[in-house]
Amino acid sequence: GDSVTQMEGPVTLSEEAFLTINCTYTATGYPSLFWYVQYPGEGLQLLLKATKADDKGSNKGFEATYRKETTSFHLEKGSVQVSDSAVYFCALEGGSEKLVFGKGTKLTVNP
Amino acid sequence: DAGVIQSPRHEVTEMGQEVTLRCKPISGHDYLFWYRQTMMRGLELLIYFNNNVPIDDSGMPEDRFSAKMPNASFSTLKIQPSEPRDSAVYFCASSFSGGRQPQHFGDGTRLSIL
Repeated sequence: GDSVTQMEGPVTLSEEAFLTINCTYTATGYPSLFWYVQYPGEGLQLLLKATKADDKGSNKGFEATYRKETTSFHLEKGSVQVSDSAVYFCALEGGSEKLVFGKGTKLTVNP
Repeated sequence: DAGVIQSPRHEVTEMGQEVTLRCKPISGHDYLFWYRQTMMRGLELLIYFNNNVPIDDSGMPEDRFSAKMPNASFSTLKIQPSEPRDSAVYFCASSFSGGRQPQHFGDGTRLSIL
């Protein structure tokens, strides 16, 4: 079945550091890919998405490119802020309307 | 626009009691999902509905769990009887079909069973 693997956390960075959170997937067909973010005490919020190969999703300085050849959708940000501290989830949707989530990566950004 | 609304936000009750969690999806969305989140197991899909009809309940852990969607604007997740291992954060999410739309999550219900 479909699955998502994302890097284990936690990740701790200093403010203005570069962020990469790796995500790879296994799916039949051509899934849509998502990154969700969860701030403490809140539900998951959509951060960005890509629906086909080579699409780049971007939002709030975060970017991720749908790489079919490497089955990856890595999340990047050039300069993180304290306010980016949260848990990040990679997910795919393979046509059934169900999302398959990775286990989440907790990011802490220190001032 | 109003997002997905869940109630209550927090629930503390004793083992054996019935618990009812409520969800109001975003108007116009035709899919509704119930998830459970714990430290040990992460985010688990319990059940989802399309046009008020349950499509897949394979994630419901036991017969003690049941979910209903009597109309397009309301769903409940019920646990009877509750047990301490049911303690978790329960999320409801909704989405609109047609082109792999993202799911929109509520803020969750934090459930503690003593």
